[in-house]
Amino acid sequence: EDQVTQSPEALRLQEGESSSLNCSYTVSGLRGLFWYRQDPGKGPEFLFTLYSAGEEKEKERLKATLTKKESFLHITAPKPEDSATYLCAVQALWGGGSEKLVFGKGTKLTVNP
Amino acid sequence: DVKVTQSSRYLVKRTGEKVFLECVQDMDHENMFWYRQDPGLGLRLIYFSYDVKMKEKGDIPEGYSVSREKKERFSLILESASTNQTSMYLCASGAGGAYEQYFGPGTRLTVT
Repeated sequence: EDQVTQSPEALRLQEGESSSLNCSYTVSGLRGLFWYRQDPGKGPEFLFTLYSAGEEKEKERLKATLTKKESFLHITAPKPEDSATYLCAVQALWGGGSEKLVFGKGTKLTVNP
Repeated sequence: DVKVTQSSRYLVKRTGEKVFLECVQDMDHENMFWYRQDPGLGLRLIYFSYDVKMKEKGDIPEGYSVSREKKERFSLILESASTNQTSMYLCASGAGGAYEQYFGPGTRLTVT
């Protein structure tokens, strides 16, 4: 069964304290891995797509990396406005040949000033 | 920018009512999706559609149906609302192939 596990469930950082969020996955034939940011009461906001091991993407203080078993979202010198829940999802094959996203449960990040 | 809109941000309905949630996207995406999100359970796929008038069941389709009469519009229908359908409902759309999904703002539905 396709699975996505994110850790930790919650993370508290001080402003400027860099850290990483983990997303480990088991899927039959990875087609793509996606990171989203979700603020309370809002829909997820797309951040990155990664397609192959060794690939990296960056946006401001965020950098996503991918290996064959997991992905990391590195946050460098975070600010309070980076506080949110970060979701990871993998693209998996559905029955009948169509595809769907399988989501992890997210990591809730809090950055204190 | 991709824009996905949902008809209501907050909705309160009574048990047994028929409920319609509307979603519209403006990027000519072929794929559209309905999820619900609950604390501790994450995002769960209810139904999706890869083309007009086409639909496929997701992980939790029971108690729901969908309609896609036009490419830009995807509706979720709760045939007879129940209290266990109280949740945040999220619509998403995506282009075929690239597959990242873009989400709407969500509808917080409460069934009393």
